[in-house]
Amino acid sequence: EPEVTQTPSHQVTQMGQEVILRCVPISNHLYFYWYRQILGQKVEFLVSFYNNEISEKSEIFDDQFSVERPDGSNFTLKIRSTKLEDSAMYFCASRPGQGVESGNTIYFGEGSWLTVV
Amino acid sequence: DAKTTQPTSMDCAEGRAANLPCNHSTISGNEYVYWYRQIHSQGPQYIIHGLKNNETNEMASLIITEDRKSSTLILPHATLRDTAVYYCIVRPPRDDKIIFGKGTRLHILP
Repeated sequence: EPEVTQTPSHQVTQMGQEVILRCVPISNHLYFYWYRQILGQKVEFLVSFYNNEISEKSEIFDDQFSVERPDGSNFTLKIRSTKLEDSAMYFCASRPGQGVESGNTIYFGEGSWLTVV
Repeated sequence: DAKTTQPTSMDCAEGRAANLPCNHSTISGNEYVYWYRQIHSQGPQYIIHGLKNNETNEMASLIITEDRKSSTLILPHATLRDTAVYYCIVRPPRDDKIIFGKGTRLHILP
């Protein structure tokens, strides 16, 4: 069964360093997302991405964050200068899009655990 | 701005049916009901969704009341691996994202 894959599974970084989290969405999916979950808290929406541009972003997704689809398969989240409060599990997700059965169903990856020290 | 109300936690004996309720009294006519679950330290997993009719797949059944103001997710034969947080989500058909609430923490007891 196709799945969203994320790398790395766990990364430890020093405060102020740049981090790139990588995701390979399900093939032929058109909509891509990043969510995060701080330990013990809810899963929070960060950003959605379609047709090579951001379609929506939350208040959390400030100028320190950026997303990119550098090629036909990868989708990345970059945190420019990490802060302690960026420590969280980051989930990538994707969905097919309209015109297919269950096109609106979003499928999540297993997450990348980021620890900022 | 919670659109759904779920119990904070529930217990269910292994092998029994787990019935997870969800209230969505302000649901609009074109909004779908989605269920996801999150097993500890894993990504949210899609379970099932529906609009008006009851739905069944290999994982679960979704029963939606006739007035659509509430629904129940049924795991027919719960196993220990079904221990997770279950999220009931109301979503318009063209809404791009999912907003997670706190969900129901389901404990399957041996």
